[in-house]
Amino acid sequence: GQQVMQIPQYQHVQEGEDFTTYCNSSTTLSNIQWYKQRPGGHPVFLIQLVKSGEVKKQKRLTFQFGEAKKNSSLHITATQTTDVGTYFCAGDYNNAGNMLTFGGGTRLMVKP
Amino acid sequence: SAVISQKPSRDICQRGTSLTIQCQVDSQVTMMFWYRQQPGQSLTLIATANQGSEATYESGFVIDKFPISRPNLTFSTLTVSNMSPEDSSIYLCSVGLNSYEQYFGPGTRLTVT
Repeated sequence: GQQVMQIPQYQHVQEGEDFTTYCNSSTTLSNIQWYKQRPGGHPVFLIQLVKSGEVKKQKRLTFQFGEAKKNSSLHITATQTTDVGTYFCAGDYNNAGNMLTFGGGTRLMVKP
Repeated sequence: SAVISQKPSRDICQRGTSLTIQCQVDSQVTMMFWYRQQPGQSLTLIATANQGSEATYESGFVIDKFPISRPNLTFSTLTVSNMSPEDSSIYLCSVGLNSYEQYFGPGTRLTVT
């Protein structure tokens, strides 16, 4: 079946360091979404990427969608303690918006 | 955006019993989804619940175990039937807006003893 692999599983960084999480799909995606889940919270939608090679920025967060629409990355510049949480990518294979396949998530821990 | 509430927020249940989880949305939505998330793990889609039709279940989930109701455009229930300790998990409902982004409820933390 369709799978979305996400690495790394965990990442410890010192506050101020950069952080990147990567997602890879075995087959072409229609679009990819990113969610953040704070400890004890629920996933919160961050962004959707649709176009091949698309790059979007939200303040210190940069999201990229690969040219082949099979991989994506989330990069955080100069992490802050408020960035702590688990970041999930979620692949949409049929553009119906209702069949998201979530990656395993990357848990980010930031040391002050 | 959408505001979603779930009841109960948590429960401890004995094996063999059933628990019904409620999901309420503050606006009318077509698509509602139920997920399971074991502690420290990713989200697994259980089923899609659209008003006016039978729920669509993902591989590994069956209606007898996880019956779902969707009586109107703002409400849905998920029942976890004949529970075993393996059903201990967080159950989340979500709604689809704008044809893609999903908004999640706060979750129901279920422990089966």
